[in-house]
Amino acid sequence: KAGVTQTPRYLIKTRGQQVTLSCSPISGHRSVSWYQQTPGQGLQFLFEYFSETQRNKGNFPGRFSGRQFSNSRSEMNVSTLELGDSALYLCASSLPNLGYTFGSGTRLTVV
Amino acid sequence: DQQVKQNSPSLSVQEGRISILNCDYTNSMFDYFLWYKKYPAEGPTFLISISSIKDKNEDGRFTVFLNKSAKHLSLHIVPSQPGDSAVYFCAASASSGAGSYQLTFGKGTKLSVIP
Repeated sequence: KAGVTQTPRYLIKTRGQQVTLSCSPISGHRSVSWYQQTPGQGLQFLFEYFSETQRNKGNFPGRFSGRQFSNSRSEMNVSTLELGDSALYLCASSLPNLGYTFGSGTRLTVV
Repeated sequence: DQQVKQNSPSLSVQEGRISILNCDYTNSMFDYFLWYKKYPAEGPTFLISISSIKDKNEDGRFTVFLNKSAKHLSLHIVPSQPGDSAVYFCAASASSGAGSYQLTFGKGTKLSVIP
């Protein structure tokens, strides 16, 4: 059974640009959540999608957005990148009321 | 305001001994707690969880203890093995009743098991 797949694994962007990250959940998992991991803040919840609807949102500015498609694949977008957006972005999928399975993450570096 | 705290950034333990990782939380609405293990360049891997209706859950070498009155949980690894060397994250969630939950993570404790 394939795990959670995130692409790309690594990304370097320039301040002010925008970026789109992709996540393919485990087959049959309809919930997809996104987390940001930085050395200073640990893992912080960005948002959760279920059946193409955002069900929950963390405390991040509006520059961070996401969406989910009918096949449960999800994308997150960060516009007007700032240096502080450099982080590991983790996607996790789950079945209702069960634990997450995380992907390996996308390492974003903003220069 | 950090709702889940792991006050020890790092811990070193001899192989074969017990590793004890601690976690404190402040939100009394949390009713489900999890531990994740993370190696560099990989996503976190689920280790063990505990519901607030229990005070102990065991899975092989891993045991999680929950003290609700103290808002404290701990992960015991016995015996510790070099392959256990990783960053361990404590996480907590509060039931939303809608099947949705978000995890609030601590900042992690880096465990080093010395052969």
